[in-house]
Amino acid sequence: EVQLLESGGGLVQPGGSLRLSCAASGFTFSYYAMNWVRQAPGKGLEWVSTLSAGGGSTYYADSVKGRFTISRDNSRNTLYLQMNGLRAEDTALYYCAKDSEPWNLGYCFDYWGQGTLVTVSS
Amino acid sequence: DIQMTQSPSSLSASVGDRVTITCRASQGISDYLAWYQQKAGKVPKLLIYGASTLQSGVPYRFSGSGSGTDFTLTISSLQPEDVATYYCQKYNSAPHTFGQGTKVEIK
Repeated sequence: EVQLLESGGGLVQPGGSLRLSCAASGFTFSYYAMNWVRQAPGKGLEWVSTLSAGGGSTYYADSVKGRFTISRDNSRNTLYLQMNGLRAEDTALYYCAKDSEPWNLGYCFDYWGQGTLVTVSS
Repeated sequence: DIQMTQSPSSLSASVGDRVTITCRASQGISDYLAWYQQKAGKVPKLLIYGASTLQSGVPYRFSGSGSGTDFTLTISSLQPEDVATYYCQKYNSAPHTFGQGTKVEIK
């Protein structure tokens, strides 16, 4: 059974940093590109970032480019999102999501974690 | 970047009604279009990919169509358990933009 378990969320002051983790199990993690998607309270889904299976290709939404860094440790089956320079508008539930097909990019997201809440406030 | 526009933003229909949600891409995306269902307080669930392929386990009353810039999600006979917000998403290349969502309620 595919499982994605996010952690690392919490309350942080504007300008602060957090690192989110997503522990994966139930599939061969190193074969799949992985993604972060966020949802602000009462709002819609916003794609944040994608990382290729091998970790060599990264993609970011303009809203987080230069502040967030996606990475992975395939030996630990874990995806990360390092978030620096946090702003109030980054407040959201952050989901990690798995690509539906292995190896290449350009697939939809077939499994999602339960999310971890990030609150940016003074 | 390609924008994804859904309509309507919300709708209310009776049980058994046929419901149609539209998603328009600002540029052609072939059939790289997915639909997700998100029930209140729950995680998004993949319904349809490739514009028209039903994800395993999804009821057959859900269907998708379209290619290029115009796409449709249809629920052939609305059920109480279909109350949710529905999102389209382009996934041919980054950014993997979502539509703004369509909230479906029972009248």
